[in-house]
Amino acid sequence: DTEVTQTPKHLVMGMTNKKSLKCEQHMGHRAMYWYKQKAKKPPELMFVYSYEKLSINESVPSRFSPECPNSSLLNLHLHALQPEDSALYLCASSQEALQLQPQHFGDGTRLSIL
Amino acid sequence: GQQVMQIPQYQHVQEGEDFTTYCNSSTTLSNIQWYKQRPGGHPVFLIQLVKSGEVKKQKRLTFQFGEAKKNSSLHITATQTTDVGTYFCAGYTGTASKLTFGTGTRLQVTL
Repeated sequence: DTEVTQTPKHLVMGMTNKKSLKCEQHMGHRAMYWYKQKAKKPPELMFVYSYEKLSINESVPSRFSPECPNSSLLNLHLHALQPEDSALYLCASSQEALQLQPQHFGDGTRLSIL
Repeated sequence: GQQVMQIPQYQHVQEGEDFTTYCNSSTTLSNIQWYKQRPGGHPVFLIQLVKSGEVKKQKRLTFQFGEAKKNSSLHITATQTTDVGTYFCAGYTGTASKLTFGTGTRLQVTL
C-alpha cells in the first residue's frame, strides 16, 4: 500500500470541464510534487511545494492550477484542458525539498480528456 | 536543459539471466536516485548514490555511480519474474530541487 493517496484513480473530462485532483500524505513530509507521465515516458516535474509554498513551476500552462491547503494536502485544479493533457498525474512527497531525499509516489490519477 | 538518457530502452531476458541498464547525463549530477515502476504502478525509490565511484548493493541489485558523476548503472544478477518493470535513474544538478528522470529501461523477464 502506498503512503501517498491520490483521488480519483481515473478521470474522464471534457475540454470545458473543471475538475480537481487530490493528493494526501500523513508522513509529516514538507515537500510535495506534481508530475505528469505519458505512456512509456518518464515522469516530468510540474510543480514543487515546500512548506506549503510553491517553489518550482516548470512553465506549466495556466490551465493547471496547484494548491497546497496544508502540509498534508495537495490539489491540482484543472480547467479547459486539451486532449494532449491526457496522461497519468503522479503526486509525490519527500521529507524536505532537498536533493538527498527520496520521493514517495502515489498511485496516480489516470486522466483522459475527450 | 539537462538530459538523462538510458540504454537499452527495452530488454527481454530469460529468468536467471543477468540484466544491466546504463544511465548517462549531459551534465554532472550532484547525486543519482534509482526508481522502479511496475506495469500499471507508480515509481518506487530503490537507492541513492552520492559519491563519485560509489557502488552499492541490494541483494541481487548492484548500483554504480561513475567517477565523473555523469553516468550510473544498475545490474541485476539472476533475474526473476518479480524484477519486471521499468527502471528509471533520476538525478539532480547543481543546487536545484528539480529531479530529472532518465528515459527508462523496460525489463521483461520470462520463464
